Amino acid sequence: GQNIDQPTEMTATEGAIVQINCTYQTSGFNGLFWYQQHAGEAPTFLSYNVLDGLEEKGRFSSFLSRSKGYSYLLLKELQMKDSASYLCAPLADSWGKLQFGAGTQVVVTP
Amino acid sequence: GAVVSQHPSWVICKSGTSVKIECRSLDFQATTMFWYRQFPKQSLMLMATSNEGSKATYEQGVEKDKFLINHASLTLSTLTVTSAHPEDSSFYICSAPGQGARLGYTFGSGTRLTVV
Repeated sequence: GQNIDQPTEMTATEGAIVQINCTYQTSGFNGLFWYQQHAGEAPTFLSYNVLDGLEEKGRFSSFLSRSKGYSYLLLKELQMKDSASYLCAPLADSWGKLQFGAGTQVVVTP
Repeated sequence: GAVVSQHPSWVICKSGTSVKIECRSLDFQATTMFWYRQFPKQSLMLMATSNEGSKATYEQGVEKDKFLINHASLTLSTLTVTSAHPEDSSFYICSAPGQGARLGYTFGSGTRLTVV
C-alpha cells in the first residue's frame, strides 16, 4: 500500500507563488507525477520526477527528495486559470497502477 | 501523441439498468488500462486494472460482479456498471501508461454517469 499526504486547499492571489507539498510512503518507487485537474475534466500531465532535485518547466517547477519521501510543486506568476486541483501521484511499480493523493485545491483570487 | 478516446462523455440511466463505458487507444496499443472513479470534490480512486487477454485486477472494496471490465483487444477496454443505483453516480475515467515517462499516463476524457 501507499500513503500520500498533501494539503486540502490553498488560496493565493494572482501573480503570486504557491508551493504544494506532498509526502508519500510507497512500497517501491519509480518516480512521482504531478497532474492538474479542472472540475469535470481529465487530469493533465504537469511533471515527472525520478531523480532528486528541481525540474523547471515554465511557470511550474517540481522538486523531489527520495530519501525524505517528499515532493513539491511550485506554481509561479499565478493566473486565474491555475485555479484547479493538483494531484500528487508517486509510482510504486514501473508503469504499474498510479494512485493519487487526495489533491490540493488551489484557489486563485484577483 | 498518445490518445485515449472515452465514450460516452455523459450518460443518464434508470436504476437497475446497465451502462457500458468504452476506452479506445487511438494511436498506440494499450495492453493495460486503469479505471478510476471520482466523486465530487474527491480525488481519483483506482477501481481496477484491466489487462488484454486476462482477467482484471480489482482494488479492495470494489465489487467485480458489479463493475465488469473487459479488455477485448489491444486498443479497447470497457467498464460495465451493472444494475446501476443512484450511489453509482460518479465520474468514471480510464488511463493507460503513456508512451514514455515524460508523457505520463494518458487519460480518457471521462464519463459522467447519473443514475436516476
